[in-house]
Amino acid sequence: GAVVSQHPSRVICKSGTSVKIECRSLDFQATTMFWYRQFPKQSLMLMATSNEGSKATYEQGVEKDKFLINHASLTLSTLTVTSAHPEDSSFYICSARVGAGYEQYFGPGTRLTVT
Amino acid sequence: GESVGLHLPTLSVQEGDNSIINCAYSNSASDYFIWYKQESGKGPQFIIDIRSNMDKRQGQRVTVLLNKTVKHLSLQIAATQPGDSAVYFCAENRVDGNKLVFGAGTILRVKS
Repeated sequence: GAVVSQHPSRVICKSGTSVKIECRSLDFQATTMFWYRQFPKQSLMLMATSNEGSKATYEQGVEKDKFLINHASLTLSTLTVTSAHPEDSSFYICSARVGAGYEQYFGPGTRLTVT
Repeated sequence: GESVGLHLPTLSVQEGDNSIINCAYSNSASDYFIWYKQESGKGPQFIIDIRSNMDKRQGQRVTVLLNKTVKHLSLQIAATQPGDSAVYFCAENRVDGNKLVFGAGTILRVKS
């Protein structure tokens, strides 16, 4: 149980284009989803917290107009990287949480490469 | 976002030895701590957790120790195996915001 999937697992896009990453909780309903970014050989950095039906809360320094988050249902959150640039190339990981509990269930990550 | 985005230290151990991975956390008000294992190109995998009202918790081959006085967390892996090779992260749950903040991570290399 508690499986989180991400799609796509890898994506390559050209500079200036937008790319959407999906995060799904497969066997549970997630009231909260989180989006993280991880650069090579570094730790996970929280980008934003997404609650179903409401606007996402972004961490300091993360541009909300560049990283659009939509959490339209209890099983799906999407992250859209708009006008992507090579410096946006990273490993994007989502996680999902049930209610106000502590535990987060992580997805397998999406490798974004911007050329 | 918050994190300690430093380059990762490496711990090399011989197969069969015990491993101890350490982590310093930042917020004395954090109430829940987790250790994750991350293999290359994959998402973090839950290993073990501990709440702030405990100082030790044991799982299968793993033990987590929490020292709130010095804000230190450790993960002990008994009889380390090649399959344990990965990056290990600690994370603390910040009560202000109810979110996880990850530590810097440690690369564990197991030599056969």
